[in-house]
Amino acid sequence: EPEVTQTPSHQVTQMGQEVILRCVPISNHLYFYWYRQILGQKVEFLVSFYNNEISEKSEIFDDQFSVERPDGSNFTLKIRSTKLEDSAMYFCASSGEANQPQHFGDGTRLSIL
Amino acid sequence: DAKTTQPTSMDCAEGRAANLPCNHSTISGNEYVYWYRQIHSQGPQYIIHGLKNNETNEMASLIITEDRKSSTLILPHATLRDTAVYYCIVRVENNNDMRFGAGTRLTVKP
Repeated sequence: EPEVTQTPSHQVTQMGQEVILRCVPISNHLYFYWYRQILGQKVEFLVSFYNNEISEKSEIFDDQFSVERPDGSNFTLKIRSTKLEDSAMYFCASSGEANQPQHFGDGTRLSIL
Repeated sequence: DAKTTQPTSMDCAEGRAANLPCNHSTISGNEYVYWYRQIHSQGPQYIIHGLKNNETNEMASLIITEDRKSSTLILPHATLRDTAVYYCIVRVENNNDMRFGAGTRLTVKP
């Protein structure tokens, strides 16, 4: 069964550094999403992306965050200048259509020191 | 999107059916009921969704009441591997974000 893959599984970064989290969505999917989950808390929506542009974003997704689909297979989340509070699991998801179920990867654990 | 209410935790004996309830009394006519689960250290896994008819797939059954104000996810023969947090989410069709709550922590016991 096709799946969403995310790399790396664990990223450790110094505060203030830039970090890029990578995702390979399911190959024929057109809608892409990023979520995060701070340890012990709920899964929170960050951003959705369709047709090479952001279609919706939450209040969490401020100017420090950006997303990109640099080629036909990857979808990335960049955090420009990381803060301690950015430490969380980051999940990528994709769906074939907007009204179809979103399928999630197993996440990248981001630890900011 | 309508708010959902789920019990914080439930236990189930291995091999028995697990019935997970969800209340969504303010659901609108164009909102679907989705169920996901999250096994420890993994990403949320899609289980099933429905609008008003009952649904069944290889993982589970979804029973939605006639007034659509509540639903039940049924795992017919729970195994230890079904131990997870189960999320009931109400979502407007074509809405981008899934609004995860705290979910129900299901523990399947031998």
